[in-house]
Amino acid sequence: EVQLVQSGPEVKEPGESLKISCEAFGYTFTAYWIGWVRQMPGTGLEWMGLIHPADSDTRYSPSFQGQVTISVDKSKNTAYLQLHSLKASDTAMYYCARFPPNFYTGDNWFYPWGQGTLVTVSS
Amino acid sequence: QPALTQPASVSGSPGQSITIVCTGSSSDVGGFNYVSWYQQHPGKAPQLIIYDVTKRPTGISDRFSGSKSGNTASLTISGLQTEDEADYYCSSYTVSTTLVFGGGTKVTVL
Repeated sequence: EVQLVQSGPEVKEPGESLKISCEAFGYTFTAYWIGWVRQMPGTGLEWMGLIHPADSDTRYSPSFQGQVTISVDKSKNTAYLQLHSLKASDTAMYYCARFPPNFYTGDNWFYPWGQGTLVTVSS
Repeated sequence: QPALTQPASVSGSPGQSITIVCTGSSSDVGGFNYVSWYQQHPGKAPQLIIYDVTKRPTGISDRFSGSKSGNTASLTISGLQTEDEADYYCSSYTVSTTLVFGGGTKVTVL
């Protein structure tokens, strides 16, 4: 079964940094992109970026470029989302999801999704 | 402001059909046949229900169907059931090689 398992909930103070993980099971990790999506409380989905585990090719949403870092460890079948200098407005659920190989030719679907990692930033 | 526009809410009675529209531009929805739709129940992760405008993943009910005309994509739910009450999001590939989501539509079954 194809599955993405994310790290657990986090509570951080403003100014701290955080790295969320997303471990993949049940498929060839290096064959698909992994994407990250943010969902702030009570709001919709926002695409943050994608990484291809085979070569670490990374694409960021202009809204998140410079604000986050997406990385991958092929040896662990795991992708990461690093959030820098956290603010209260970073409080959100963060999802990872598998994305098809043909990103540059327009494929667009996220399946499956991880269970989400709730990040709370509060002093 | 989401790049794709969806109605905030749509409602219908059990057994009826409803349609959710997703309006973009020639730079996204209108330029590519790569629109996907997601269903999200409260407290749950989103689930893919339509991809490539009209295709359904294995296991998704044929009561869900997708279409596109110009810069507007549509998701139709036929034979509405109480379990269909959820939030629905569209997504499109863009000419800038990025992805965008719609703002989401809350479906209420009356």
